Amino acid sequence: DIVMTQSPDSLAVSLGERATINCKSSQSVLYSSTNKNYLAWYQQKPGQPPKLLIYWASTRESGVPDRFSGSGSGTDFTLTISSLQAEDVAVYYCQQYYITPHTFGQGTKLEIK
Amino acid sequence: EVQLVQSGAEVKKPGESLKISCKGSGYSFTNYWIGWVRQMPGKGLEWMGIIYPGDSDTRYSPSFQGQVTISADKSISTAYLQWSSLKASDTAMYYCARQGITAAPSAFDIWGQGTMVTVSS
Repeated sequence: DIVMTQSPDSLAVSLGERATINCKSSQSVLYSSTNKNYLAWYQQKPGQPPKLLIYWASTRESGVPDRFSGSGSGTDFTLTISSLQAEDVAVYYCQQYYITPHTFGQGTKLEIK
Repeated sequence: EVQLVQSGAEVKKPGESLKISCKGSGYSFTNYWIGWVRQMPGKGLEWMGIIYPGDSDTRYSPSFQGQVTISADKSISTAYLQWSSLKASDTAMYYCARQGITAAPSAFDIWGQGTMVTVSS
């Protein structure tokens, strides 16, 4: 299995400040024939199912605010929230869908400082 | 509207069997992989497996292979997750989710509301 490791496990950021979450895969999730990284980011708020934010490592899902962005390639990826809003408090997960099982990271809890 | 609607919460005893469901609507159910994800209380997301309803091709995580069965009935646009003998450690929220691209690996773009399964004597 590909192991997905997120850092940090938790993060407290002031409103309006930048939040950065990292995700590292134990092997590359870049598929050479398509030149795409098979990596997604999800947001989960308490009592709700996860919501897709980013796919192909950097493509924002329709309706997701542009303060959310994804970057990285190969084995190292980052989710950035450029200006934290109160409604962004949640747990964030990365997931690789390069090979089954499509493993998730352990999650990063984002709070307001 | 594209949506997945899951069956309601279940309370079961250890050793009992259970089958929960996930009904898709608003899209061509047979053409998109459906996955199941476990979330134990206070814990993270665990990918259990996926099924392609068009031909019932199924892939399991090694962690769940032999522990659960994933199936689908394309005639009623419904996927299932079942247990033959529940354990207390199966207590969790279970989500179904759709992969967003037809017949290809992709992220889960649509999620069900979740089914809480509680196993207790």
